[in-house]
Amino acid sequence: NAGVTQTPKFQVLKTGQSMTLQCAQDMNHEYMSWYRQDPGMGLRLIHYSVGAGITDQGEVPNGYNVSRSTTEDFPLRLLSAAPSQTSVYFCASTPLGGNYEQYFGPGTRLTVT
Amino acid sequence: SQKIEQNSEALNIQEGKTATLTCNYTNYSPAYLQWYRQDPGRGPVFLLLIRENEKEKRKERLKVTFDTTLKQSLFHITASQPADSATYLCALDMYSGGGADGLTFGKGTHLIIQP
Repeated sequence: NAGVTQTPKFQVLKTGQSMTLQCAQDMNHEYMSWYRQDPGMGLRLIHYSVGAGITDQGEVPNGYNVSRSTTEDFPLRLLSAAPSQTSVYFCASTPLGGNYEQYFGPGTRLTVT
Repeated sequence: SQKIEQNSEALNIQEGKTATLTCNYTNYSPAYLQWYRQDPGRGPVFLLLIRENEKEKRKERLKVTFDTTLKQSLFHITASQPADSATYLCALDMYSGGGADGLTFGKGTHLIIQP
């Protein structure tokens, strides 16, 4: 199993540009989520999904869209990038039941200039 | 508002000693609490979960306690080694009251084990 994969690993955007951060998991996990991590702020939940076709907002959803058309994929879209969205983005998946253990991807480091 | 607090300052421990990290929370009654380890440039890695009706959980050299009255969890690493140096995060299920929809994380404590 590859686990949770994220692409790209690094990205530089100009203010106003849009892009999609990709996240995929091959563990057949029901739950997936997106976090951003900023120095001094810790990890903050952006959006999450409890299954295909179902998404919901987390703590900091503004400026981001998500969709979950398949169990495997959970892309995060930045509609119009702003410097405040400069951050490291982590995708995570969680199996149904058990320890609710979150499996994190390696992260995407995004810089918006 | 709901808040999770971890000691934001780095914790320096001598190799072989027990490291104890603290996680305090307010204004919430989580169904469970988790601890993660994060190394620089990597995603967090799950270590342990403790449920609200459990007082203590152990895994090898790791021990977690959960006091729902004090709203506090303690994370212990016994016989610490330099390889244990990392940032340790605690996380609670602030969003769903028991599910796996998403977690609220503390800011983490940077642990340094000195040889």
